[in-house]
Amino acid sequence: QKEVEQNSGPLSVPEGAIASLNCTYSDRGSQSFFWYRQYSGKSPELIMSIYSNGDKEDGRFTAQLNKASQYVSLLIRDSQPSDSATYLCAVSGGTSYGKLTFGQGTILTVHP
Amino acid sequence: DTAVSQTPKYLVTQMGNDKSIKCEQNLGHDTMYWYKQDSKKFLKIMFSYNNKELIINETVPNRFSPKSPDKAHLNLHINSLELGDSAVYFCASGDRGGYTFGSGTRLTVV
Repeated sequence: QKEVEQNSGPLSVPEGAIASLNCTYSDRGSQSFFWYRQYSGKSPELIMSIYSNGDKEDGRFTAQLNKASQYVSLLIRDSQPSDSATYLCAVSGGTSYGKLTFGQGTILTVHP
Repeated sequence: DTAVSQTPKYLVTQMGNDKSIKCEQNLGHDTMYWYKQDSKKFLKIMFSYNNKELIINETVPNRFSPKSPDKAHLNLHINSLELGDSAVYFCASGDRGGYTFGSGTRLTVV
């Protein structure tokens, strides 16, 4: 089982729709959860962090965490073509204290 | 000001050569990292240093040797380069609040 697994892509949504990205993790002791966005040829950029169960909203982005289900998700409302990128889920804490473990990424394409 | 800067951005070299990548951060973080991103975009940690001390050393060939002269710098030296070393190498710094990545070094071994 992969330590951090993301829903297989690529994911394609029309402009203005909600994009839903999902991630599960195997280390039940994990404490910190992050979503990074990576444009082609660029470095990963932190867009959301979440540490406790529930929802966290920042503009058009909402991160959701459910530690009991070992599940974290990212919703992007009113998707724009500029949101087209690879989204990386990352987890730290537990036995991986001190390092971020990344999922394999989900490619999102928002078409006009 | 660039928060995490890496040099060089591109590196093309022949098999068997030795090369170095340099990284500097001005964010004041105690911890720095080297990650390797393969052709499938999977990011995997290689090393981590906390205030010049090696704290994470994943299963990486000993041809790869990190060096941290101070907590703002973390360099990566690679000996006897192999074709399989071709990848993008990212330096990062950060703490529990997440990392800031450098712009990456695309290494191509021919």
